[in-house]
Amino acid sequence: KQEVTQIPAALSVPEGENLVLNCSFTDSAIYNLQWFRQDPGKGLTSLLLIQSSQREQTSGRLNASLDKSSGRSTLYIAASQPGDSATYLCAVGDNQGGKLIFGQGTELSVKP
Amino acid sequence: DAGVTQSPTHLIKTRGQQVTLRCSPKSGHDTVSWYQQALGQGPQFIFQYYEEEERQRGNFPDRFSGHQFPNYSSELNVNALLLGDSALYLCASSLLTGYTFGSGTRLTVV
Repeated sequence: KQEVTQIPAALSVPEGENLVLNCSFTDSAIYNLQWFRQDPGKGLTSLLLIQSSQREQTSGRLNASLDKSSGRSTLYIAASQPGDSATYLCAVGDNQGGKLIFGQGTELSVKP
Repeated sequence: DAGVTQSPTHLIKTRGQQVTLRCSPKSGHDTVSWYQQALGQGPQFIFQYYEEEERQRGNFPDRFSGHQFPNYSSELNVNALLLGDSALYLCASSLLTGYTFGSGTRLTVV
């Protein structure tokens, strides 16, 4: 059974700092991995999608990496801003178009 | 281009009642999935609909049922509501791969 874990559960950093959020999964037979952002009480906004054949994806200040063999993904946020404050969720796709298995999220707070 | 639309946004129900939540997928998407998110937790997969059939189901009791219509929109029905059903219910649509989520329906059972 696939399990997804995110560490840390919460993180507080000063504005401008570079940071890394971690995601690990127990079964390396994944189809893809997706990072989402969730603001309090809101839905999920997709940030980056990495296919199982890819090693990383970049969008603006965000970079996500994937290492299937070790069961790990990281989300790197450069030059953090207060507007980046939110919960970040990673989710593993078990097959094409199939269900997503989520971690519990990392709650990020960026202080001005 | 409209994204995923869910209705209602908030709902309060009494234990034992039944509830129906609705979802309109993103234009061009043919697959709809439903997730339950309890406070402070990651979303949990309920089920997925494709071509009006339930294609995949998570570990949820039969009280949770769904439907997909020919226009790809979907409903989630929950019978005999329990206090533990209180959560944010998220709908996601997709075409082959990559998901777009709606803003969710906040269900409170009292």
